[in-house]
Amino acid sequence: GENVEQHPSTLSVQEGDSAVIKCTYSDSASNYFPWYKQELGKRPQLIIDIRSNVGEKKDQRIAVTLNKTAKHFSLHITETQPEDSAVYFCAARGYGGSQGNLIFGKGTKLSVKP
Amino acid sequence: NAGVTQTPKFQVLKTGQSMTLQCAQDMNHNSMYWYRQDPGMGLRLIYYSASEGTTDKGEVPNGYNVSRLNKREFSLRLESAAPSQTSVYFCASRIENTEAFFGQGTRLTVV
Repeated sequence: GENVEQHPSTLSVQEGDSAVIKCTYSDSASNYFPWYKQELGKRPQLIIDIRSNVGEKKDQRIAVTLNKTAKHFSLHITETQPEDSAVYFCAARGYGGSQGNLIFGKGTKLSVKP
Repeated sequence: NAGVTQTPKFQVLKTGQSMTLQCAQDMNHNSMYWYRQDPGMGLRLIYYSASEGTTDKGEVPNGYNVSRLNKREFSLRLESAAPSQTSVYFCASRIENTEAFFGQGTRLTVV
């Protein structure tokens, strides 16, 4: 089944700096890659997603890039703000034994210092 | 439009007790999921249901059972709770190859 690795597990940046979180996946058939943000005590919520027919997608200060050959995708947050502080999860759609499921990475705790 | 609703929000059980976590969605989604979230472990899939009438094991199914009661509802049952099942449980639903919508979570403590 699919396996998703996420790095780093913690990330601390100064307000205004950029933050990058990277994920790798194992199943070359995976075709859907969402990113979720989870604030303390809240449910995970989608912030951006990308499909395998697209190499990059941007939404204001957030962008995601996908490299299908290397089987990795990354989340880029520019001009970080204190309200960006949260745990971020990447995920990949599983095939085979995990067909149709979303398999999540272990998360990255992002801290943005004012 | 409520989305995905889970009950209860908090629960404390004694070791060996049983309980059922309820989940309902009003978005007409085919697929429903139960995840558990533990510190440093991310979201791990317990069971899922690709459609009404079907259920399958995920990554960590031991100690749990599920029922897809109808298209809207997907329940998770702990038959004999253990301290290792202390966790935050999330139900989610989605249409094929789109985002998953999560419930607000159930914080379960087993003492």
